[in-house]
Amino acid sequence: DQQVKQNSPSLSVQEGRISILNCDYTNSMFDYFLWYKKYPAEGPTFLISISSIKDKNEDGRFTVFLNKSAKHLSLHIVPSQPGDSAVYFCAASTRSASKIIFGSGTRLSIRP
Amino acid sequence: NAGVTQTPKFQVLKTGQSMTLQCAQDMNHNSMYWYRQDPGMGLRLIYYSASEGTTDKGEVPNGYNVSRLNKREFSLRLESAAPSQTSVYFCASSADRGMYEQYFGPGTRLTVT
Repeated sequence: DQQVKQNSPSLSVQEGRISILNCDYTNSMFDYFLWYKKYPAEGPTFLISISSIKDKNEDGRFTVFLNKSAKHLSLHIVPSQPGDSAVYFCAASTRSASKIIFGSGTRLSIRP
Repeated sequence: NAGVTQTPKFQVLKTGQSMTLQCAQDMNHNSMYWYRQDPGMGLRLIYYSASEGTTDKGEVPNGYNVSRLNKREFSLRLESAAPSQTSVYFCASSADRGMYEQYFGPGTRLTVT
């Protein structure tokens, strides 16, 4: 049973436009959410996170939105740049847990 | 400051062979993790060590063993490799358990024939 779901395996966006990556979760106990970015032949790198006490967190071009009632979060990238082409993983955790649960990833391609 | 290092980068094994994947971190982190990544499956946790001296099973522990040798090092052992263990393996560490971002190594690509 996948507790963290990324239903879009891939997404193509034109350079300069907004990229929106979506993630749903089923476990209402999750209270911390993260996004990771992964380039080919490299390990994932942390991008941005949000605590469940917030509904938005911004870091430069990246904004994560959390809708607890819908158990949904999204990552907005604006404007999208060629270097944003990568696989993006959504992840979730609880304060008491020793681990985080990852989604299956969305491959983002930024086209010229 | 190398972060998280993994050896080897690539490995080909025959069915039934054994091997150990090595991982080390130099960030003085308490928690370490082993994941496997398969197409369409994302990252699945094999084992983790919340702190030195402790290890626990993750989602997919069967066929693997781990050793938290000291605070820096966390190894993953395949005792009798199977084709189903063909995957990319990532080691990660975090300052503490749970609500902390994890730092990943570059991965080991393992093929079992």
